[in-house]
Amino acid sequence: DIEMTQSPDSLAVSLGERATINCKSSQSVFYSSNNKNFLAWYQQKPGQPPKLLIYWASTRQSGVPDRFSGSGSGTDFTLTISSLQAEDVAVYYCHQYYSSPLTFGGGTKVEIK
Amino acid sequence: QVQLVQSGAEVKKPGASVKVSCKASGYIFTSYGISWVRQAPGQGLEWMGWISTSNGNTNYAQKLQGRVTMTTDTSTRIAYMELRSLRSDDTAVYYCARDQQVELGYFDSLGVWGQGTTVTVSS
Repeated sequence: DIEMTQSPDSLAVSLGERATINCKSSQSVFYSSNNKNFLAWYQQKPGQPPKLLIYWASTRQSGVPDRFSGSGSGTDFTLTISSLQAEDVAVYYCHQYYSSPLTFGGGTKVEIK
Repeated sequence: QVQLVQSGAEVKKPGASVKVSCKASGYIFTSYGISWVRQAPGQGLEWMGWISTSNGNTNYAQKLQGRVTMTTDTSTRIAYMELRSLRSDDTAVYYCARDQQVELGYFDSLGVWGQGTTVTVSS
């Protein structure tokens, strides 16, 4: 199984400041035949299902604000919120869909400082 | 609009079975696979398995093999997840989630989620 490790577990950021979440996979999730990283990011607010933000490591889902961006390749990935807004308070999960069983990181809770 | 609507909350005794439904609308049902993901109270996300809505092929998480069955009814556009021999640690919110893209021959991110179904296992 591919283990996904997120850091930090939680972070508090001032409104308008940058938030950075890291995700490391225990093996590469890059598939050379299509040149893509099988890595997604989700946002989950209390009492709601997760919402897809980023797929293929860096492709923003339709309707997601451009302050959210994803980067990285292979085993190391980052989700960046360039200017934190109040509505961004949530738990964020990385997710590998390279191989079964699909696995998720443990989550990073983002709060306002 | 694209939507997945799940069945209501369930309370079950240990050893019983539960079957959760997920009704799709707003898209071609047989073009996108469906995963089931669960979340225990206060915990993270756990993938349970995936089903192809075009041919019924399944891929289950090893830890649930033998206890879980995923099926679809293409005439009603409903996906089902049945979990048997329930234990207290099966208490969770269960989500169905649709693949982000048309079935590609490999796994995909999860672009559309149901609202979740709370399953409580308690004696």
